[in-house]
Amino acid sequence: GQQVMQIPQYQHVQEGEDFTTYCNSSTTLSNIQWYKQRPGGHPVFLIQLVKSGEVKKQKRLTFQFGEAKKNSSLHITATQTTDVGTYFCAGRYNFNKFYFGSGTKLNVKP
Amino acid sequence: ETGVTQTPRHLVMGMTNKKSLKCEQHLGHNAMYWYKQSAKKPLELMFVYNFKEQTENNSVPSRFSPECPNSSHLFLHLHTLQPEDSALYLCASSGGSEPSVDTQYFGPGTRLTVL
Repeated sequence: GQQVMQIPQYQHVQEGEDFTTYCNSSTTLSNIQWYKQRPGGHPVFLIQLVKSGEVKKQKRLTFQFGEAKKNSSLHITATQTTDVGTYFCAGRYNFNKFYFGSGTKLNVKP
Repeated sequence: ETGVTQTPRHLVMGMTNKKSLKCEQHLGHNAMYWYKQSAKKPLELMFVYNFKEQTENNSVPSRFSPECPNSSHLFLHLHTLQPEDSALYLCASSGGSEPSVDTQYFGPGTRLTVL
């Protein structure tokens, strides 16, 4: 069935190290979104990728959408303690139906 | 903060109780969602409403009953729940133009505990 796989489940890094989370779908996505959920908070939208091979940057965050529109990644350069939280991808297959990945929980040690 | 409010924020109920969760969005969106978030399944879509019409029911047990009287309000009626239904229930809305029509805005959630 349609689902989005996300790895890793957890990532512990030292402050200043890089971090990457990956999402994969078995079928082509219309678009993919990324969300961040801080501990005790709710998911907050980060970005949407629509085009094949698209790359977008937000300060230290780099988002990529694969050429086949089946995979995506979020890379954080030089992590900071403020980056702590769970990062979710959400793949869209049809109108108003998104499948969220299981999330990657990032812990950053100061 | 996000324009989506949920009440109550915390709820403890027995298995024989009937309660309702309320969600309200002040963003002028046309789509609203219920999600269940637990340790086992981080973000599980339950129901989707589009212009007050239910367009998605993700095989949710009948002890969860949604209601969408208008595009701004969404309810989740609960009855005879099980302890495994304890979770964070998140409401979301979408349909604005910025940053995209697909962007989902989440409420703070209701932390539900079933005894």
